[in-house]
Amino acid sequence: AQSVTQPDIHITVSEGASLELRCNYSYGATPYLFWYVQSPGQGLQLLLKYFSGDTLVQGIKGFEAEFKRSQSSFNLRKPSVHWSDAAEYFCAVGANNQGGKLIFGQGTELSVKP
Amino acid sequence: GAVVSQHPSRVICKSGTSVKIECRSLDFQATTMFWYRQFPKQSLMLMATSNEGSKATYEQGVEKDKFLINHASLTLSTLTVTSAHPEDSSFYICSARDPNGLAGYEQYFGPGTRLTVT
Repeated sequence: AQSVTQPDIHITVSEGASLELRCNYSYGATPYLFWYVQSPGQGLQLLLKYFSGDTLVQGIKGFEAEFKRSQSSFNLRKPSVHWSDAAEYFCAVGANNQGGKLIFGQGTELSVKP
Repeated sequence: GAVVSQHPSRVICKSGTSVKIECRSLDFQATTMFWYRQFPKQSLMLMATSNEGSKATYEQGVEKDKFLINHASLTLSTLTVTSAHPEDSSFYICSARDPNGLAGYEQYFGPGTRLTVT
């Protein structure tokens, strides 16, 4: 069965430091991969997505993610974190042949120290 | 990007009453919408898939008679929590599938509805 794992429940970084949030997926074919961000009490906003092509994808707010098939990973990165990036981040994979469903990881809460 | 709205954003109701939550796609037609439930500090749990003009498909363990879903138009889906109890208190989020999105997997999310049952 398909699954998504975000190993880090909570990460704290200093403002201006670089960030990497990990995401591993289990999927037999080429996956459709997404990263979403959720601010407290809000819905989800799409940061970036991947299906095919260049394995390094650029998203909004200065985020990027790299698809590594050999590692079944789709890690999210940002070179310099801003205090406003503090939020919950979810990795998701499109569920194969299930009408467009997404399977979400458990989420990683990002805190930013001044 | 596309916009999805939810109404109300917050609702408090008494135990035993019913509450309706609306989900609207504002600038595109969504044949498919999804309803999620989210507990504090947890991920989204898919409750059901709502298809315009047909019955919703519920995930295992979700009571379809308690969580009534109606998708009467291409821009509106509603979730009614019937005979609400305190354990139904949660954050409910809807999403609308973008028919022109990434192979049909791209979803746009509403801002969520905080339901508190007293």
